[in-house]
Formats: sequence, C-alpha cells, structure tokens
Amino acid sequence: LAKTTQPISMDSYEGQEVNITCSHNNIATNDYITWYQQFPSQGPRFIIQGYKTKVTNEVASLFIPADRKSSTLSLPRVSLSDTAVYYCLVAPLGWRGANNLFFGTGTRLTVIP
Amino acid sequence: DSGVTQTPKHLITATGQRVTLRCSPRSGDLSVYWYQQSLDQGLQFLIQYYNGEERAKGNILERFSAQQFPDLHSELNLSSLELGDSALYFCASSPATSGNTIYFGEGSWLTVV
Repeated sequence: LAKTTQPISMDSYEGQEVNITCSHNNIATNDYITWYQQFPSQGPRFIIQGYKTKVTNEVASLFIPADRKSSTLSLPRVSLSDTAVYYCLVAPLGWRGANNLFFGTGTRLTVIP
Repeated sequence: DSGVTQTPKHLITATGQRVTLRCSPRSGDLSVYWYQQSLDQGLQFLIQYYNGEERAKGNILERFSAQQFPDLHSELNLSSLELGDSALYFCASSPATSGNTIYFGEGSWLTVV
C-alpha cells in the first residue's frame, strides 16, 4: 500500500505558478499517480494522471522523477477560482482493494488576490 | 456535470432515525463508490459495488449498509443516526473495477439534529 503525504495547506498569489508535491515512498511498480481537485461542497474531479516523467494537459502538469517516490502537481498562473483542495492518489490502474481508494486529507490551496 | 446523480441534495433528520441516500451512476458505469466527508475532513471511503456485488469495504459503520440494484443504481442506508453522522455523502462511479478515474456526484448533505 502506497501511503501519500502532502502539505496540509498552501497559499499563493494570483498569477503565480503553484507546485504541490506528494510523497509516496512505497509506490509499487504498477501504481499510477492521480490528482483530484475538490471545491467546497462539491465532489472531487479528476485533474491529471501519470506514471513517470511528465504529463501535461490543459489544466495542469504532473512531474514524476525517475524513482517515482514523489510527484509534483504544477498549476500555471493560478487564479482565485483555483482555490480548492487537491488530492494525490496512488493506486494501480485496476484499483483493486479498499485501501487503494483512500484519498487522504489533501492540500488546501488558497489563492490570494 | 459528472453524470452521477444523487438524491436528496439536502436532508435534515433527528437522532435515532434512518435515512436512505440514492445514487444513479453515469450511464454504462458498473462500479459505484460511497464516501463520507465531515466538515473540514477528508474523504472517507465507505464501500464499493460492482455490478450488484460488494467489491471493497472501507470504514463503514455497522449502522450503515448499501446495495446496488440490477439497474445499477445504489442506495446507502444510514440507521440509528447520531449527531456525528452529519456529513456530506458522495457517490462516485467508474466504468469497471479497473477504472482508474472515478466520477463524483454533487453529494447529499445530511444534517442530524
């Protein structure tokens, strides 16, 4: 089971790039790294997923070093609407077993005007 | 809109009572997941069903039960309610147990008074 550790909270000014790092020292060979975003009183929504190196989509980038023991979610030029909780989830593609479905406490990002 | 529908959106009930929360997954999704989120807490995984069968179990209390019906909708039954059960209950769905992305509904707010 790959336990994840994220900072509890982060603050950033509008327009800055934000990097949120997740540690997962016990990541398994078949584990993928997935990030979700949750706004207050809403269900989490998928942001990005990766296995190694770098993945980019229209919303964010995900950087994964060669040893895969951590990952960094990068949000370019954040705006006030990016204020949310961000969850890092490490699980095999099959997501078998209850332990793989635990989201943890996430990182509360607050964007300041 | 994730395509996952939850009812009711809000519910207020007294301690000791029983309530049923309903979830309709996205069209074609076979897996349904239930999560509990108390105020300012992380997402607690409760239970997962796949095509009518229980597949994974998390920290679900014995007072709580769930099922998935042949039409794939799911119900979460909460009985002998306590004040501490007040929370936002999310349902999520994915195409299969091998789904690596799950889609959350907007949640059902339960307030126990």
